[in-house]
Amino acid sequence: NAGVTQTPKFQVLKTGQSMTLQCAQDMNHNSMYWYRQDPGMGLRLIYYSASEGTTDKGEVPNGYNVSRLNKREFSLRLESAAPSQTSVYFCASRRGGSTDTQYFGPGTRLTVL
Amino acid sequence: AQSVTQLDSHVSVSEGTPVLLRCNYSSSYSPSLFWYVQHPNKGLQLLLKYTSAATLVKGINGFEAEFKKSETSFHLTKPSAHMSDAAEYFCVVSVGVSGGYNKLIFGAGTRLAVHP
Repeated sequence: NAGVTQTPKFQVLKTGQSMTLQCAQDMNHNSMYWYRQDPGMGLRLIYYSASEGTTDKGEVPNGYNVSRLNKREFSLRLESAAPSQTSVYFCASRRGGSTDTQYFGPGTRLTVL
Repeated sequence: AQSVTQLDSHVSVSEGTPVLLRCNYSSSYSPSLFWYVQHPNKGLQLLLKYTSAATLVKGINGFEAEFKKSETSFHLTKPSAHMSDAAEYFCVVSVGVSGGYNKLIFGAGTRLAVHP
């Protein structure tokens, strides 16, 4: 039982390049989330998916797109990376319903030059 | 609007002394509150969770937190710090979102340093 997994662990991009961050969970959770973590700001929600087939914007969605591929997988895409997107990205999942505990992946450290 | 304020960005203690990490929250209804810990270059691990069953919540690794509604606080404590407790700690409030699902609002974090 791996929990929440993320790939890649590290990535360096040049400004304007695109990439997709992958996230998968094996806990049969309904809801999945993408956050970014910047120094002194805690974690901020980028996008979330309450259930398979639905996605919604969080606090800081600009410059990102997401896909809930199936119940297990939730990907985050940067179409044209900018230095302001240098951050650590965390994926999380939640069982759903009245349960509000989220479980986090190990993170992807992204640097945009 | 819901929010979380961690009152100290850095806390430094000696090994074997008590730890106190302070958190105040703002919520228009009875919240769910969490403490998560993040060790260097690692993901976030759930320490403990308050859900109104008891005001004193015990978590992993000897940590506990007390919910005080009158003070809108949820401070994290540990009687005796260990070197392995050095990490960043996040106080988090869960907020409801339309449709029955929720999202988390994070405090800015408190970095705990433990000295020999």
